[in-house]
Amino acid sequence: GIQVEQSPPDLILQEGANSTLRCNFSDSVNNLQWFHQNPWGQLINLFYIPSGTKQNGRLSATTVATERYSLLYISSSQTTDSGVYFCAVGASGTYKYIFGTGTRLKVLA
Amino acid sequence: GAVVSQHPSRVICKSGTSVKIECRSLDFQATTMFWYRQFPKKSLMLMATSNEGSKATYEQGVEKDKFLINHASLTLSTLTVTSAHPEDSSFYICSAGRRDYGYTFGSGTRLTVV
Repeated sequence: GIQVEQSPPDLILQEGANSTLRCNFSDSVNNLQWFHQNPWGQLINLFYIPSGTKQNGRLSATTVATERYSLLYISSSQTTDSGVYFCAVGASGTYKYIFGTGTRLKVLA
Repeated sequence: GAVVSQHPSRVICKSGTSVKIECRSLDFQATTMFWYRQFPKKSLMLMATSNEGSKATYEQGVEKDKFLINHASLTLSTLTVTSAHPEDSSFYICSAGRRDYGYTFGSGTRLTVV
């Protein structure tokens, strides 16, 4: 089955810093989403981005499907950005999502 | 946007009893819902695909007699953990949505079996 790897696994930032999170996948996909899991476990949808670039405030994401990766950019990070970031992909021909390994982000005040 | 409600958010049960978790799509009809399990500090693992009006499709290694899934209507799927044991303690999350718009997740259920 499709493999989804995220990097880095852990990241510590000072408030105000920028960061780039990466999601690599091993096969072609027709869906990709980025999620933020808060300390209570809730998964917050950040972007639905099977291809192209999107921006929402301090966050933006780019997916290059032909090269099998997606990037999540966080600018001017805040302590509330702390948590775990997951990408999830849907392989071509299936409805199912496979989650990446996650990036655990901690933003220090 | 799509809203998915999951209940309960937290449950503690005794070993040997059964627990039912509900997942509802509040503002849309969902012919397909998904159930995931998450161990502490780990990623989400897909357990099964819940299909309205038919049997669920389970992922390899998931015991279908242990984790009963029922999708009786277009807005409700239930996961029943039968004869629960401490190793079933985990965080369970459901999701629903449209493939071309993305999926929305419930708030999750933290199950503790004592």
